[in-house]
Amino acid sequence: IVMTQTPLSSPVTLGQPASISCRSSESLVHSDGNTYLTWLHQRPGQPPRLLIYKISNRYSGVPDRFSGSGAGTDFTLKISRVEAEDVGVYYCTQATQFPITFGQGTRLEIK
Amino acid sequence: EVQLLESGGGLVQPGGSLRLSCAASGLTFNKYAISWVRQAPGKGLEWVSMISGNGENIYYADSVKGRFTVSRDNSKNTAYLQMNSLRAEDTAVYYCSKGRGLPDCWGQGTLVTVSS
Repeated sequence: IVMTQTPLSSPVTLGQPASISCRSSESLVHSDGNTYLTWLHQRPGQPPRLLIYKISNRYSGVPDRFSGSGAGTDFTLKISRVEAEDVGVYYCTQATQFPITFGQGTRLEIK
Repeated sequence: EVQLLESGGGLVQPGGSLRLSCAASGLTFNKYAISWVRQAPGKGLEWVSMISGNGENIYYADSVKGRFTVSRDNSKNTAYLQMNSLRAEDTAVYYCSKGRGLPDCWGQGTLVTVSS
């Protein structure tokens, strides 16, 4: 399954919203009824960290300015008000089907 | 606190071998799948392999199939990635992560450099 993210780069003003799109080449609905679409955030020199799992579930400790939505093949990560700590690269990834695949990554930077 | 710690990276010549380890603490290790994910310098994330909690289900990316072998020793809370016939394009930071649909813990990574 090919995961395609847009945009690949997103300059954002602090306090403004940001949105990242992720499209899969096939439906991510698993036979168990779940959709294993995950969003990760990676800061420079750090491992990825989990933000959102199963489309819209915010992981423990993730600020509520982050939200995930979508279904089937189209998914979106939104940040309601960007803060300085949000810079880095965001990846969508699917674990519905092997091989597990990642999007190319979207670099969020502050204008 | 759940922690994963990779080790075993280093410089190896093309065609050589390395074995990476992923030592886990703070969790019931045999309940969780472990994935290996790599990141070439300046590039994105690439999934490499996954082994289920009991070790019975194993998956590989096509790019490493036949060259890499994943395993685990639940008595030692450790997963392994045996890498043979290494190529320059295998140069990357290798991360282990916990789980499949909910990768909520990642190690800090270990750098593998394949070069003559």
